[in-house]
Amino acid sequence: DAKTTQPPSMDCAEGRAANLPCNHSTISGNEYVYWYRQIHSQGPQYIIHGLKNNETNEMASLIITEDRKSSTLILPHATLRDTAVYYCIVVGYNTDKLIFGTGTRLQVFP
Amino acid sequence: GAVVSQHPSWVICKSGTSVKIECRSLDFQATTMFWYRQFPKQSLMLMATSNEGSKATYEQGVEKDKFLINHASLTLSTLTVTSAHPEDSSFYICSARGSGSTDTQYFGPGTRLTVL
Repeated sequence: DAKTTQPPSMDCAEGRAANLPCNHSTISGNEYVYWYRQIHSQGPQYIIHGLKNNETNEMASLIITEDRKSSTLILPHATLRDTAVYYCIVVGYNTDKLIFGTGTRLQVFP
Repeated sequence: GAVVSQHPSWVICKSGTSVKIECRSLDFQATTMFWYRQFPKQSLMLMATSNEGSKATYEQGVEKDKFLINHASLTLSTLTVTSAHPEDSSFYICSARGSGSTDTQYFGPGTRLTVL
């Protein structure tokens, strides 16, 4: 599986958009980009995933660059409850394993 | 999203005893379940992959005789930590995945194990 690179930490003001970047420059054509987050002392929560098109759901938007070497998770209106560690994971088609990196610790402040 | 439960949510045991943790998919059939371990301030580490009706596949460095995994049904997998020692104290998290090739993994809330 391709490795990902994320900034270790980010801050965001409550109500503003949080844009979390992820670099996956070695991604291959059949690999998906998944985003999970982990709030302290809880299991990871699925957020969104995509292959090459941008995706949006009730939680977030995922923007994948045309060359697929990077992506951005957007939380349009961050709240204090969005404070968590966000993991960007690249997963191959029909591959079971999720290999977690160190993620980005997002701190939303009032 | 799909719901995965774990039981117990926390457990304290004496050194040398065995502890069983259950992972259930509540509203879908999970052909594959995964077990992770997370130490404080570290990321999740995959321990093993279990497929219903077959033996689990363990990641390198994980002792299969110490961490017994059973996946007897499409909604239940169990992890038994045998002869637990203080260094086994950790946060154990399971996840479950449906049968489709692109099905998403959903995680349980985790079990905090403390071995005295």
